Amino acid sequence: SQTIHQWPATLVQPVGSPLSLECTVEGTSNPNLYWYRQAAGRGLQLLFYSVGIGQISSEVPQNLSASRPQDRQFILSSKKLLLSDSGFYLCACHTPTSGPYNEQFFGPGTRLTVL
Amino acid sequence: AQSVAQPEDQVNVAEGNPLTVKCTYSVSGNPYLFWYVQYPNRGLQFLLKYITGDNLVKGSYGFEAEFNKSQTSFHLKKPSALVSDSALYFCAVRDGAAGNKLTFGGGTRVLVKP
Repeated sequence: SQTIHQWPATLVQPVGSPLSLECTVEGTSNPNLYWYRQAAGRGLQLLFYSVGIGQISSEVPQNLSASRPQDRQFILSSKKLLLSDSGFYLCACHTPTSGPYNEQFFGPGTRLTVL
Repeated sequence: AQSVAQPEDQVNVAEGNPLTVKCTYSVSGNPYLFWYVQYPNRGLQFLLKYITGDNLVKGSYGFEAEFNKSQTSFHLKKPSALVSDSALYFCAVRDGAAGNKLTFGGGTRVLVKP
């Protein structure tokens, strides 16, 4: 079964600073990868998803970008953080070869606080 | 477009009593529905899913969910709640478009009191 790693676990950054969050996946190949943001411990907002290396789809126009340099690596970035970027960032994966209707698996998350 | 509604922000239940968390959905085409649980400062854990077949789906930790097509509902249930079931619960529906995306409800916080 797949395992998802995210780091760092916690991050405090000043407004205007850059951001790089990393997600790596073990135990699967050719996964679909997703970045979600959760604000105030409630709903999940899908930010980006990727169906392959170098393929990124953006769901919400914003201050963030994503990249997928390797099959099992997904990076979330920003050049200049805003206060509104604070939240809990979750990486998830889905393995298409396991069946199109199977569940997504989630990583442990990164808590980002922008001050 | 798909949507999921969880009408209750919070559900309070005494330990040992039955627990129900409500979810209604709107999809075009066949619904593929999921329940997840989130403990504080953790990622989401998969509980169960409905793809096709029996309307009563059994999942992890003693949870089950009932799919009702006529009412477009997929309520999560547990016959006897535990204090350790206190968490945030999310209902989700698969987006039929590319990428196997999920659309999540707003979440329901469950508090089980001893």
